[in-house]
Amino acid sequence: EAGVAQSPRYKIIEKRQSVAFWCNPISGHATLYWYQQILGQGPKLLIQFQNNGVVDDSQLPKDRFSAERLKGVDSTLKIQPAKLEDSAVYLCASSSLLGRGSYEQYFGPGTRLTVT
Amino acid sequence: GEDVEQSLFLSVREGDSSVINCTYTDSSSTYLYWYKQEPGAGLQLLTYIFSNMDMKQDQRLTVLLNKKDKHLSLRIADTQTGDSAIYFCAESKQYTGNQFYFGTGTSLTVIP
Repeated sequence: EAGVAQSPRYKIIEKRQSVAFWCNPISGHATLYWYQQILGQGPKLLIQFQNNGVVDDSQLPKDRFSAERLKGVDSTLKIQPAKLEDSAVYLCASSSLLGRGSYEQYFGPGTRLTVT
Repeated sequence: GEDVEQSLFLSVREGDSSVINCTYTDSSSTYLYWYKQEPGAGLQLLTYIFSNMDMKQDQRLTVLLNKKDKHLSLRIADTQTGDSAIYFCAESKQYTGNQFYFGTGTSLTVIP
């Protein structure tokens, strides 16, 4: 099966500019996640969707970050305006049920954002 | 909140065993996972363990869970150069929206 697709793979912008990332999850996966991974750290969950509804966005900086999953399939994550500290890899993942309430996440390759 | 900690670096010789350790704070965690991340790639699930298990073995990988001490370890037998990567442990809770919390990652270097 095709994996999680993300684009672009790399993006360089100046602070205060806007940027958008796109994610196409594995077909049939209802749950979609966006993570921020700062260099040298583990992924931090930004937002989690179940179909087109938001399950958890408690760590999303809502003054500048937004995300949507309008038809319950593809998703976009936007940053407006970007700050230097937003430089990170943005990972998208989707999940399927492993059994007994456990889910396996499949990760995309990520988008590396550099804010100058 | 959840806090998952790992040592940052580990270096082993090819053919030796590697042991990567992880501690977590949330005793209600139901599942614990080990992920591998190679340079420029996303995370790949290696194995996972349910919290009522003490050990799980999968080919060269052995996971040990000490729930009392909230300590998780991953042992890689006969470590190969292809095992060089960053390893993350993660925890989640059953049926609570599948929120995952990741550790800081351990960078494993295998010396030929």
